[in-house]
Amino acid sequence: DAKTTQPTSMDCAEGRAANLPCNHSTISGNEYVYWYRQIHSQGPQYIIHGLKNNETNEMASLIITEDRKSSTLILPHATLRDTAVYYCIVRAYGRSNDYKLSFGAGTTVTVRA
Amino acid sequence: DGGITQSPKYLFRKEGQNVTLSCEQNLNHDAMYWYRQDPGQGLRLIYYSQIVNDFQKGDIAEGYSVSREKKESFPLTVTSAQKNPTAFYLCASSIVFSSSYNEQFFGPGTRLTVL
Repeated sequence: DAKTTQPTSMDCAEGRAANLPCNHSTISGNEYVYWYRQIHSQGPQYIIHGLKNNETNEMASLIITEDRKSSTLILPHATLRDTAVYYCIVRAYGRSNDYKLSFGAGTTVTVRA
Repeated sequence: DGGITQSPKYLFRKEGQNVTLSCEQNLNHDAMYWYRQDPGQGLRLIYYSQIVNDFQKGDIAEGYSVSREKKESFPLTVTSAQKNPTAFYLCASSIVFSSSYNEQFFGPGTRLTVL
């Protein structure tokens, strides 16, 4: 799976949009971009995923650049409960090891009142 | 409500004792997984199961054992052979084992401390 690079940490004001960048310059054509988050001492939570089109759900929006080498997760109106570690991963479809989730260090997002 | 439950949330055991961590899901998912997470680190796969009565070793299976006798249950036993068992253990499930939409849903985790 392609390696991803995320900032170590970022702060966000409550009520404002949080934009979390992720670089995945070696992504392959069949690899999807997934985002998970993990609130302290809880299990990871799936947020969103995409291949090349922008995606939106009730939690967030995912913007993927045209060359697919980077993406941005957008939390439109951050709340204190969005404080967590956010993980960007890329995973291939169809490979024998595509079941396994491998999280890097992620981005620690702190939402401040 | 559908989801994954793990029990207990906190578990303490003496060194040399086996301990079994519970994982139950009512999502009707075929695949289930066990991960281990150490402080400040990512996830490492211990065991996974694609379907009932089948399971496979992950990256760090030594010192652990599992069973999958029922679709909804995937208990993990941490044996005395596991050299460093103190960790946060996470159970997950997904609809199918191998799919482009294979998002995994996680339980709340069990924090095991071996004294």
